[in-house]
Amino acid sequence: QKEVEQNSGPLSVPEGAIASLNCTYSDRGSQSFFWYRQYSGKSPELIMFIYSNGDKEDGRFTAQLNKASQYVSLLIRDSQPSDSATYLCAVINFGNEKLTFGTGTRLTIIP
Amino acid sequence: GAGVSQTPSNKVTEKGKYVELRCDPISGHTALYWYRQSLGQGPEFLIYFQGTGAADDSGLPNDRFFAVRPEGSVSTLKIQRTERGDSAVYLCASSLIGGANQPQHFGDGTRLSIL
Repeated sequence: QKEVEQNSGPLSVPEGAIASLNCTYSDRGSQSFFWYRQYSGKSPELIMFIYSNGDKEDGRFTAQLNKASQYVSLLIRDSQPSDSATYLCAVINFGNEKLTFGTGTRLTIIP
Repeated sequence: GAGVSQTPSNKVTEKGKYVELRCDPISGHTALYWYRQSLGQGPEFLIYFQGTGAADDSGLPNDRFFAVRPEGSVSTLKIQRTERGDSAVYLCASSLIGGANQPQHFGDGTRLSIL
């Protein structure tokens, strides 16, 4: 079992709809959770981070964390074509500082 | 500059050669990380510096890989006797003080191609 799992996609969402991206992790000691956006040929760009159970909102983005079920999700409201990218979920486990990434979900917003 | 700067942006070299990749973190950031990313994969951790010292080098694949950060700012990743399997994008990230709750910000990476 991979430490961080994501559906590779592609996930296609109509423009203006809500895109929902999911991520599960295996280590119950994971304590910090990050979502990065990566455009093709570019480096990862931090979108959201969350440490506590519940929801965290920032503009059109909402991160949701459920430690009991070991999943973290990212919702993108009012999806725009510019949101088309690969979204990487990453966690930091207790006792270290390295990011452990999933393989990413490729999101396409259809105009 | 305002962000993490990596040079060169692209490096092509022959198998067996030595390469150096440079990272200049965000000014004032004490923590610096190296990752590498292969096509279709997420970045994989290589090494983490807090100040001048390597706090965690558990991700370095073998002894051909080495990294330094002599003055606590710029870091250099060094790869000896390169192999074709070393081809990847090498990413550098920095965070303000390190720690699990500090976001890491990435540079644009160095695309390394070993022929």
